[in-house]
This record gives sequence, structure tokens and C-alpha cells, in this order.
Amino acid sequence: GQSLEQPSEVTAVEGAIVQINCTYQTSGFYGLSWYQQHDGGAPTFLSYNALDGLEETGRFSSFLSRSDSYGYLLLQELQMKDSASYFCAVRDTDKLIFGTGTRLQVFP
Amino acid sequence: EPEVTQTPSHQVTQMGQEVILRCVPISNHLYFYWYRQILGQKVEFLVSFYNNEISEKSEIFDDQFSVERPDGSNFTLKIRSTKLEDSAMYFCASIGSGSSHEQYFGPGTRLTVT
Repeated sequence: GQSLEQPSEVTAVEGAIVQINCTYQTSGFYGLSWYQQHDGGAPTFLSYNALDGLEETGRFSSFLSRSDSYGYLLLQELQMKDSASYFCAVRDTDKLIFGTGTRLQVFP
Repeated sequence: EPEVTQTPSHQVTQMGQEVILRCVPISNHLYFYWYRQILGQKVEFLVSFYNNEISEKSEIFDDQFSVERPDGSNFTLKIRSTKLEDSAMYFCASIGSGSSHEQYFGPGTRLTVT
């Protein structure tokens, strides 16, 4: 089967750093994406890793280890607006297989 | 900034009725997708569409589902005979090329089957 596992919930305070892990087991793999989804909203793209290593985009960084079938999203300098659900998603051919999602709550 | 649009934002229908969900992908995009998300759960792939035909579909996308691109702009998802378990948020997405890794999602249509 295909599975992507994430912690269900993470909490942190403003200004802190948080890491959201993702382990995956899929039949195909072209890369690992991260999407943010606010309540009632659409998933919006954050980052993508096709190769091992760290990708940095502003306050957000994403890491991939293909040999470990593992990745993480690192959010720095947390802001209240970062409170949302975060999904890892494996790109398999051109479709996305989403993880279980992690709800991030940022407190003042 | 170009965006994917979907109509209606909320559709309520009775079990057994047919529904058509509509999407207008970004104008120069070539690959189109439907996903669904049952409340509180993960986003699930339904179908991908390229060059006027289905390129891939999931186990969820059974004979009750169909997709169509009736003109150069719209992309529709039809559910022939809705069931209670079809209640979900349905997202349309598009990408410009097969090598693109960023899928652009529409705001979704919330389907409620009673």
C-alpha cells in the first residue's frame, strides 16, 4: 500500500522553530512536496525536494533523505498566521499522494 | 496572479442525484486533477487528465465518476448517483507541464449529500 505518516499535531510559540516530520512508503517516487492548508482553504504549495538535502525558501526549509524515505519541513520565526495544517505529499508520476497532515498551532 | 476557480462553492444534493462540479484551470495549464478531502482527513487523489483523456485514476474514481473538458476553459467532475459517503470537499488542481512540481489548487467545492 501507499502511506505517508506525519505527527497529528504540533504546538509552538511565536518566534520559535518547529519541525514536522514525514515518513513515506509509496510505489513510485518523483519527489516530496509540502503544502499548507488553512481551515476551509485550499492546499497551497510551500516547497519541493526531488534530491536529497535541504531546500530553503525564506522562513521555510524542507529536507529529504530518499534512502530513509524521510523528509521534514522546518518552520522558523513562527508567526500566528502559520497556524494551519501541513501536508507532505509524494509526487508519483504527476499525481500527488498526500500524508495524514499535521495541525500546527502557534501560541502568542 | 492567475488562479484556479471552482463553482459552486457549496452544493447540497440528495442521495441518488447527479451533480456536476465545475473548475476553470489556469489558462495555459495542460494537466488537470481532481482531489477530494473528507472533513478532517487527508487530501485524496481522484483523477488526472491530459490531452483530453484520463491519464490516471484512483480506486475511488469508479463508474459513478466522470470528467470532461467540454471547451477550452472548463474542467468538470460529474458524480452520476451520489452517495452519503461522497460528502467531501472537492478540489480541482492544474499544472503547466508534466515536469512542473507545483500544483495550483482551486478553493474547492463543498459537496453535502443528504
